[in-house]
Amino acid sequence: DAKTTQPPSMDCAEGRAANLPCNHSTISGNEYVYWYRQIHSQGPQYIIHGLKNNETNEMASLIITEDRKSSTLILPHATLRDTAVYYCIVLRTGTASKLTFGTGTRLQVTL
Amino acid sequence: DADVTQTPRNRITKTGKRIMLECSQTKGHDRMYWYRQDPGLGLQLIYYSFDVKDINKGEISDGYSVSRQAQAKFSLSLESAIPNQTALYFCATSDLRRRSGNTIYFGEGSWLTVV
Repeated sequence: DAKTTQPPSMDCAEGRAANLPCNHSTISGNEYVYWYRQIHSQGPQYIIHGLKNNETNEMASLIITEDRKSSTLILPHATLRDTAVYYCIVLRTGTASKLTFGTGTRLQVTL
Repeated sequence: DADVTQTPRNRITKTGKRIMLECSQTKGHDRMYWYRQDPGLGLQLIYYSFDVKDINKGEISDGYSVSRQAQAKFSLSLESAIPNQTALYFCATSDLRRRSGNTIYFGEGSWLTVV
């Protein structure tokens, strides 16, 4: 599975959009990009995933570059409750057993 | 109510004791997992089960055993607990039959301290 690179930490003002980048330059054609987050010591929470097209749900938007070598998770109006560690993960369908969480990006939302 | 329920949520046990962490799910998913997380680190896969008759070792299975009693229940046992098994343990589920077959849903975690 492709490796991912994320900045270790980011800050965002409450009410502003939080844009979290992820590089996955070795991604294969059949690998999806998944985003999870973990609020302090809680179980990781699924946010969104995508293959090629941009995706949006009630939590966030996922923008994947045309070459699929990088992506950005967008939280359109960050709140203090969005403070968490965000993980970008690349996986092929059916390989959930290989889901591994690296160090992710620690997003701090401030007043 | 939570879709993935873990019990106990917190437990302190002594070295050498047997401890069982239980997990039940109401999502109807076929796959279940046990992870551990050490403070400040990522999650490590201990065991996973694709169905009641299928159990697989993960990255760090030594010192642990599991039992899939039913589709909805997956328990993790530490036969003889040791202090370096002090960690936060997560149970999780996924459903390969769905389009989002890799989407994993986690429980709230069980804090285990071995003294």
